[in-house]
Amino acid sequence: GESVGLHLPTLSVQEGDNSIINCAYSNSASDYFIWYKQESGKGPQFIIDIRSNMDKRQGQRVTVLLNKTVKHLSLQIAATQPGDSAVYFCAENRRGNAGNMLTFGGGTRLMVKP
Amino acid sequence: DTGVSQDPRHKITKRGQNVTFRCDPISEHNRLYWYRQTLGQGPEFLTYFQNEAQLEKSRLLSDRFSAERPKGSFSTLEIQRTEQGDSAMYLCASSLGQVSYNEQFFGPGTRLTVL
Repeated sequence: GESVGLHLPTLSVQEGDNSIINCAYSNSASDYFIWYKQESGKGPQFIIDIRSNMDKRQGQRVTVLLNKTVKHLSLQIAATQPGDSAVYFCAENRRGNAGNMLTFGGGTRLMVKP
Repeated sequence: DTGVSQDPRHKITKRGQNVTFRCDPISEHNRLYWYRQTLGQGPEFLTYFQNEAQLEKSRLLSDRFSAERPKGSFSTLEIQRTEQGDSAMYLCASSLGQVSYNEQFFGPGTRLTVL
């Protein structure tokens, strides 16, 4: 299949370990954030979201942390599995953006070693 | 499969030709978005519709690009006089849009290659 991103930062982890993927955003007016997973040849797939009135949100095996002071977002994946291998993007929605158009970051490639 | 479909999945064309892509959103979703993604980059917003109304267009959407959603269901994106710089993945997404911050569901994309 085609490659989503050839020159992306890459995080390589051992199967079973925890993964942390980081994202910096620049617009302090952003008030909603989403993490997407994108596999080769596919569109982005929603993982988890968080609003700016929260610092942490947990899903199944995933946790998103938001630090508004330093405009930083992270995605933690517990017990990483080979199926987690993909490119991960953070996206932000800016307050007052009635259409909820998303601004995406540059992405991080996660490689899980068996 | 998110329920959003796009056609074709791949399109190869020669510079100067016109191309048209189609997106079928999830049926009850009233918002539809087009994004463009180049290799190594995240998707970039192009335009969005609420029902049949096109409410926002990015500066990326030159006058060679036009999008329609005539009946508030499927949408088409046409690129006229294609250029090599138009080569990219064109992604469509839809959301319910009745309340703030609805999840956007993405289709598989149409990969355009302009020779």
